[in-house]
Amino acid sequence: RKEVEQDPGPFNVPEGATVAFNCTYSNSASQSFFWYRQDCRKEPKLLMSVYSSGNEDGRFTAQLNRASQYISLLIRDSKLSDSATYLCVVGVNNAGNMLTFGGGTRLMVKP
Amino acid sequence: DARVTQTPRHKVTEMGQEVTMRCQPILGHNTVFWYRQTMMQGLELLAYFRNRAPLDDSGMPKDRFSAEMPDATLATLKIQPSEPRDSAVYFCASGFWRGATDTQYFGPGTRLTVL
Repeated sequence: RKEVEQDPGPFNVPEGATVAFNCTYSNSASQSFFWYRQDCRKEPKLLMSVYSSGNEDGRFTAQLNRASQYISLLIRDSKLSDSATYLCVVGVNNAGNMLTFGGGTRLMVKP
Repeated sequence: DARVTQTPRHKVTEMGQEVTMRCQPILGHNTVFWYRQTMMQGLELLAYFRNRAPLDDSGMPKDRFSAEMPDATLATLKIQPSEPRDSAVYFCASGFWRGATDTQYFGPGTRLTVL
């Protein structure tokens, strides 16, 4: 079983739709959580950190459920430019600054 | 706008040749990572340095790969000899460790093709 699991997709949605991705992690000692975005043939870039209380950044909302060990990302009012792969990322503090990346969920927003 | 830089951006070589990839982490960052990404395996951690000391290279094939940080502004990943299965995108990332896990910033990657 992978440490961080994601549905690879692709999720094909029309512009303006709301789409949600989930991710599960296996290490209960995980303490840091992030969503990264990776465009085709580019490097991963931090989209947002995920906090215990949940957090929002514009059209993006991230939630953390420690009891069930899953993280979610909600994208409202999807834009064509949201088309990318979204990587769920988890860190354990006593592992230094090491992060474990999920395999990514591919999103394609269509006109 | 501080960024991680990597050279070369693209490399095509023949099997058996030595390949050296270079990375300049963001100034002030004390952790450096090397990753390899392929369609089949996704993003794999190869090596991890903190304050220039190698802390984890368990993901790296030891017989042909080596990673070093000769100084705080340069990290290198070397493959000798290279094989076709090494074809992948190699990313360097840096971050700042201050007792809690923090985000990592990725360079643009080196796209390696071994023929």
